[in-house]
Amino acid sequence: ETGVTQSPTHLIKTRGQQVTLRCSSQSGHNTVSWYQQALGQGPQFIFQYYREEENGRGNFPPRFSGLQFPNYSSELNVNALELDDSALYLCASSRGQGTNTGELFFGEGSRLTVL
Amino acid sequence: QKEVEQNSGPLSVPEGAIASLNCTYSDRGSQSFFWYRQYSGKSPELIMSIYSNGDKEDGRFTAQLNKASQYVSLLIRDSQPSDSATYLCAVWYSSASKIIFGSGTRLSIRP
Repeated sequence: ETGVTQSPTHLIKTRGQQVTLRCSSQSGHNTVSWYQQALGQGPQFIFQYYREEENGRGNFPPRFSGLQFPNYSSELNVNALELDDSALYLCASSRGQGTNTGELFFGEGSRLTVL
Repeated sequence: QKEVEQNSGPLSVPEGAIASLNCTYSDRGSQSFFWYRQYSGKSPELIMSIYSNGDKEDGRFTAQLNKASQYVSLLIRDSQPSDSATYLCAVWYSSASKIIFGSGTRLSIRP
């Protein structure tokens, strides 16, 4: 069984740039969610995708956007990067309809540094 | 009031003792509760889920849920140095269709 994989693992960007993070979900999982984790904090929910549709969103501005593809992989795009966007970005996959499950399987994350 | 609250710690427990981790939540309608373990520099890993009032045991771990008090706890028996990690409490908020994580409790098991 293939786990959740994310790329890139580390990246450095400058303020105002755009970034795309990628995630391949675990085999058999059809729901993908994205989280932002700042140092010393718990993961903050960004959004969730089920069958290529966004079906839940946290308190993040529209410059955070995403996609889910037919093979259930996903992308997180962040435009107009700000210094506060520096964090670990976690992708998690899960089974089911994605509306009532917290049994998440996380990837190892993408650490973004914005200078 | 924070949606999911945990004591940040650090909580220091001697090896072999019971570690007790606590979490409170604000949404009375929540039905699903989870404990994740996160080692330093790693991603969270699900260790327990609980959906009904009472206790749920899995090996050395016991999750306890009291919906009336809006309280979830995790007990770790026979604590081992390998249990040293940050423990995250997570709650499914049905009102917002999203999972809310607490900020985590850092647990240190001293030999």
